Amino acid sequence: ELKVEQNPLFLSMQEGKNYTIYCNYSTTSDRLYWYRQDPGKSLESLFVLLSNGAVKQEGRLMASLDTKARLSTLHITAAVHDLSATYFCAVGAPIQGAQKLVFGQGTRLTINP
Amino acid sequence: ETGVTQTPRHLVMGMTNKKSLKCEQHLGHNAMYWYKQSAKKPLELMFVYNFKEQTENNSVPSRFSPECPNSSHLFLHLHTLQPEDSALYLCASSQDISGNTIYFGEGSWLTVV
Repeated sequence: ELKVEQNPLFLSMQEGKNYTIYCNYSTTSDRLYWYRQDPGKSLESLFVLLSNGAVKQEGRLMASLDTKARLSTLHITAAVHDLSATYFCAVGAPIQGAQKLVFGQGTRLTINP
Repeated sequence: ETGVTQTPRHLVMGMTNKKSLKCEQHLGHNAMYWYKQSAKKPLELMFVYNFKEQTENNSVPSRFSPECPNSSHLFLHLHTLQPEDSALYLCASSQDISGNTIYFGEGSWLTVV
């Protein structure tokens, strides 16, 4: 059974600091997704990582994938308050033309002035 | 706006009621999904449909009954639910398995009283 674990689950940090969220998963996969969720809102797609060594960056967020270690990271550079949200990683598994996502527990990120 | 629209956004129902959640996607995708997000568990997949055919039922109780009349519409029929079924129900859609982004709707907040 595929399991996905994120850490930390809660993260409080100051503006301007850097930090990393880790996503470990239990079985082989080459599809890793990162989503952002604001309170009371749906999931916003941030990154789709499709191969070992993939790295993608958007603004202050950078995601990477190491399929051999079964690890993805989401790095936050010089955090700003607007990045406060819950971040989810999800591992994809194909199902007959569709894609099943198994999610981590989410990391609730709070950025303080 | 992700192109996936869910109605209603909020629903309160009694345990003996019958109600339905509706999802519509305007993206031309072939696959549609129902996910459940509750306070006590990670996001979990409920059902997957690909080209109107159900390809996954993740051991969901029969009081939840999905219907997919075409590739653009997905329903979740609700009957004799329990208070523990109160959650955010998210619809999603995607195009094939090539690692494309999976887009989520805004969700339907369900409260069972």
